[in-house]
Amino acid sequence: ILNVEQSPQSLHVQEGDSTNFTCSFPSSNFYALHWYRWETAKSPEALFVMTLNGDEKKKGRISATLNTKEGYSYLYIKGSQPEDSATYLCACKTSYDKVIFGPGTSLSVIP
Amino acid sequence: DTAVSQTPKYLVTQMGNDKSIKCEQNLGHDTMYWYKQDSKKFLKIMFSYNNKELIINETVPNRFSPKSPDKAHLNLHINSLELGDSAVYFCASATQTRDEAFFGQGTRLTVV
Repeated sequence: ILNVEQSPQSLHVQEGDSTNFTCSFPSSNFYALHWYRWETAKSPEALFVMTLNGDEKKKGRISATLNTKEGYSYLYIKGSQPEDSATYLCACKTSYDKVIFGPGTSLSVIP
Repeated sequence: DTAVSQTPKYLVTQMGNDKSIKCEQNLGHDTMYWYKQDSKKFLKIMFSYNNKELIINETVPNRFSPKSPDKAHLNLHINSLELGDSAVYFCASATQTRDEAFFGQGTRLTVV
């Protein structure tokens, strides 16, 4: 059974703090790892797609890394802002087209 | 222009009814998906269509059937609705090469 885990489940940080979350996934039959940002009452928006071991992607203050051998990805947010408050989802796509979402990490940034 | 649009946004219906949720994408993507957000807020994939062929069919009841009249549309038909079908359903599209999914705004289905 394929399982994608995320930790922590929820996180409260002060504005200006930097933070990071973890996504762990099965390393067998791996094809791609996606990160999404999901604000309340909206639909998920793609942040990053990573496929190669050692991939690092960056978009503004947000960055992500990928380790396919050990089956984990980190998402980092530098200098958190209130508008970063959202649920961050990771999704693992296998080589046989199965897509599994993790449960998400809910981030609240306190002004 | 909305990239992936779903209609309706809200749907309240009685048990036993048959209903459809429409999804259209104007991104030229070749793959479309239906996801169900369950009671624990998890996103679970239901169907995936690539160039009008079903390529993933998760273990969903056969009361649920995807219908794709063309590459830009993937509608979800649900027969004999049950209370447990109440959820938010998301449509999404992606390209085979780029792979990241673009989601619709979701349809909140309530079965009473």
